Amino acid sequence: RKEVEQDPGPFNVPEGATVAFNCTYSNSASQSFFWYRQDCRKEPKLLMSVYSSGNEDGRFTAQLNRASQYISLLIRDSKLSDSATYLCVVNYSGNTGKLIFGQGTTLQVKP
Amino acid sequence: DTGVSQNPRHKITKRGQNVTFRCDPISEHNRLYWYRQTLGQGPEFLTYFQNEAQLEKSRLLSDRFSAERPKGSFSTLEIQRTEQGDSAMYLCASSSLTGGESEAFFGQGTRLTVV
Repeated sequence: RKEVEQDPGPFNVPEGATVAFNCTYSNSASQSFFWYRQDCRKEPKLLMSVYSSGNEDGRFTAQLNRASQYISLLIRDSKLSDSATYLCVVNYSGNTGKLIFGQGTTLQVKP
Repeated sequence: DTGVSQNPRHKITKRGQNVTFRCDPISEHNRLYWYRQTLGQGPEFLTYFQNEAQLEKSRLLSDRFSAERPKGSFSTLEIQRTEQGDSAMYLCASSSLTGGESEAFFGQGTRLTVV
């Protein structure tokens, strides 16, 4: 079993749609959680951190369920520019900083 | 430019040759990571440093791979006796130890092709 699992997709949605991605992690001792975005042939960049209470940044909402070891990312009112791969990232070792990436979920927003 | 810098950007090598990649992290960052990424996969953890100390190395990493960060600044990743399966994008990232969370900033990567 992979340490961080994501549905690779692709998710094909029309502009304006709401889309949700899920991610599960295997190590219950995981401390910190993030969503990164990676455009084609580019390096990953931080989209948002995921807090236990859930957090929102504009059209993006992240949720964490520690009991189920589950993280989600919701994108509302999808834009063409949201087309990318979204990587779920887990910090397994507290402040020592080892970051484990999921396979990534590909989103394609169509006009 | 104060971002993470990786050199070279591209490397083509013959099977069996040794290659070395360099990463210059953001200057105030004390953590440095190496990842490998192949098409359709997320970045795979290879190793990471806090200052000059190598804290962890992936069990998936064979003895042909070695990384150093001699002065706690730049780092090098060497692959000896390259194999075709080593072809991938090698990504370096850096972060600083602040509280419980730290954003990792990535370089643009070194794309290795072993022929």
